[in-house]
Amino acid sequence: NAGVMQNPRHLVRRRGQEARLRCSPMKGHSHVYWYRQLPEEGLKFMVYLQKENIIDESGMPKERFSAEFPKEGPSILRIQQVVRGDSAAYFCASSVQGGQSEAFFGQGTRLTVV
Amino acid sequence: SQKIEQNSEALNIQEGKTATLTCNYTNYSPAYLQWYRQDPGRGPVFLLLIRENEKEKRKERLKVTFDTTLKQSLFHITASQPADSATYLCALGGGSNSGYALNFGKGTSLLVTP
Repeated sequence: NAGVMQNPRHLVRRRGQEARLRCSPMKGHSHVYWYRQLPEEGLKFMVYLQKENIIDESGMPKERFSAEFPKEGPSILRIQQVVRGDSAAYFCASSVQGGQSEAFFGQGTRLTVV
Repeated sequence: SQKIEQNSEALNIQEGKTATLTCNYTNYSPAYLQWYRQDPGRGPVFLLLIRENEKEKRKERLKVTFDTTLKQSLFHITASQPADSATYLCALGGGSNSGYALNFGKGTSLLVTP
């Protein structure tokens, strides 16, 4: 049973370009969370999705950031017109249920904006 | 606002001793608390979950306590080994002001020397 798969592992983008981060949850998991980790900072919640629905996006910036989890295929975190401050590690986690259930994290995508 | 504090200083201990890590929180009444391990360049790995009505949880060499009066959790690793060296994250969830997010502390780095 493969774990949570994120790709790419490393992504370099120039300022103003778009970044697309992909996350395939564990088999049987329909709950996906995205977190951002800045250097020397803790993991910060961004968005929580179930299949085809955004449940909680309270941690996601209102502009330039969007997330989806289509019926088929991986969850996508999309950052438009990237800026240097977007450079961070982005982690995806999945769980069988929301709330108290154990979350399984992927290895993350390290985004560098140059 | 919610605040989660973990020792920012690294904890250095000798192999075989018990490591104790602290997680304090304020302005928050979580329904549960989780501990994760994170190695450099990797995603967090779930270790233990403890609910607000539980005082203590054990798993092999790991023990977690949860004191909702003190607003504190202690994480113990007994008979520590060099392989236990990593950053340990505490994460709080649930409660009336949390939504679906896990709120993470910045983590404490543990180094176990032979």
